[in-house]
Amino acid sequence: NAGVMQNPRHLVRRRGQEARLRCSPMKGHSHVYWYRQLPEEGLKFMVYLQKENIIDESGMPKERFSAEFPKEGPSILRIQQVVRGDSAAYFCASSPGRLNTEAFFGQGTRLTVV
Amino acid sequence: SQELEQSPQSLIVQEGKNLTINCTSSKTLYGLYWYKQKYGEGLIFLMMLQKGGEEKSHEKITAKLDEKKQQSSLHITASQPSHAGIYLCGAGLGSNYKLTFGKGTLLTVNP
Repeated sequence: NAGVMQNPRHLVRRRGQEARLRCSPMKGHSHVYWYRQLPEEGLKFMVYLQKENIIDESGMPKERFSAEFPKEGPSILRIQQVVRGDSAAYFCASSPGRLNTEAFFGQGTRLTVV
Repeated sequence: SQELEQSPQSLIVQEGKNLTINCTSSKTLYGLYWYKQKYGEGLIFLMMLQKGGEEKSHEKITAKLDEKKQQSSLHITASQPSHAGIYLCGAGLGSNYKLTFGKGTLLTVNP
C-alpha cells in the first residue's frame, strides 16, 4: 500500500507563473488536507477536502490559491501568479476519516519562486 | 502565544541517553499526533493518542497523553543517531479534522 504521493518533489517557478501541486492519498483514504511550512514557522493548515467537496478552506489565502479533489484523480493545489512569498514546502496528508484516525503525510513539494 | 507549545526547542544528547520532549496545549485536545521530520523531507507518522492516560510505544519511543494537563510527552530510551531529526506534535484544537502543530523540537544525537 503506497503512502501519500506528492509530485513534483521540487518545483521552481518564476514570479507570475502558475504552480500546480498534486497529491494522491493513500488507498482507501477519502480525506485530504493541505498544509504549508514556511521557514522558521510551523506547519499551517490550508484546506481540507473530501471527494469533490471543499470542507474547510479557512487557511487558504483569499486570492490566487485554490484546491480541488475531483472524483477521479489526485487532489490539486493551484497557485496562480506566484510571488516570492509563496516559496515554501507544501504538504498533503490523508486519512480514512476525521481526527479519530491516523493521518499520514506525503514527502511534500518544495516550491521556489525566483 | 502558540496554541501548542513544544519544549525544549532543541536538544543535544549523547548516544545511549534517554530523553523527553513535551507538548502542551492551551485548548482542549481532539487527538494528539507525533511526527518525525528529517530536514528537507516529509513527516513520518509515529503515534496518535486519543484518550487521557493513553500510552503507546513503538520500538524505543513511548508517548503519553495527560488529558487533564492537556499535555503529551514523547520519551526515547537509549537514543541512537537514527533518532535525530525534528519531532513535531500536532493536535486537533477545538476541531476534529484540522491539526495545529507545534514549532518542533530539533533532536541531535551524538555518537
